[in-house]
Amino acid sequence: SQKIEQNSEALNIQEGKTATLTCNYTNYSPAYLQWYRQDPGRGPVFLLLIRENEKEKRKERLKVTFDTTLKQSLFHITASQPADSATYLCALPRDSGYSTLTFGKGTMLLVSP
Amino acid sequence: EAQVTQNPRYLITVTGKKLTVTCSQNMNHEYMSWYRQDPGLGLRQIYYSMNVEVTDKGDVPEGYKVSRKEKRNFPLILESPSPNQTSLYFCASSLSPGPLHFGNGTRLTVT
Repeated sequence: SQKIEQNSEALNIQEGKTATLTCNYTNYSPAYLQWYRQDPGRGPVFLLLIRENEKEKRKERLKVTFDTTLKQSLFHITASQPADSATYLCALPRDSGYSTLTFGKGTMLLVSP
Repeated sequence: EAQVTQNPRYLITVTGKKLTVTCSQNMNHEYMSWYRQDPGLGLRQIYYSMNVEVTDKGDVPEGYKVSRKEKRNFPLILESPSPNQTSLYFCASSLSPGPLHFGNGTRLTVT
């Protein structure tokens, strides 16, 4: 099954800067990849889905890229705000059968004023 | 309001006492799933269901049971809870394996 790697160390940035989070996977190339936001003690909230034939997807201040050659997705938050502080999770189909999602452990983002 | 509702939010119990965590969704989703989340281990899938009467094991199914008799409900059953099942549990649903809607979580402590 798929193995997902996200930076375990928290990312600290200043307000107004662009935050870039990385998601690497090790096995087969998935048909799509998703990003979620999770606040402490709460359930993850879906942000963006990008398909294998899409290089880039945008939603307001969020941008996701998907490089199937590198087996990597980058998640960017531009003009970051303290309210963006949270843990961000990437998720992929568990196997090629699209049966279910498996999640990375997430990267905590801390945006300071 | 579209939502996934889990109950209870908090539960403290003793080893061996059977318990059920309920999960209900009002979005007519076929797919439902249970995850547990532990520090350093992330979200791990326990069981999932592609539709009524269809359930399958996730990555950590040992010690858990589920049932899917109706589309909207997907209860998680711990027949004989043990301290290593102390965790934060999330139920989720979607139209198909895709963007998941998560519940607010159930924090379970087994002493």
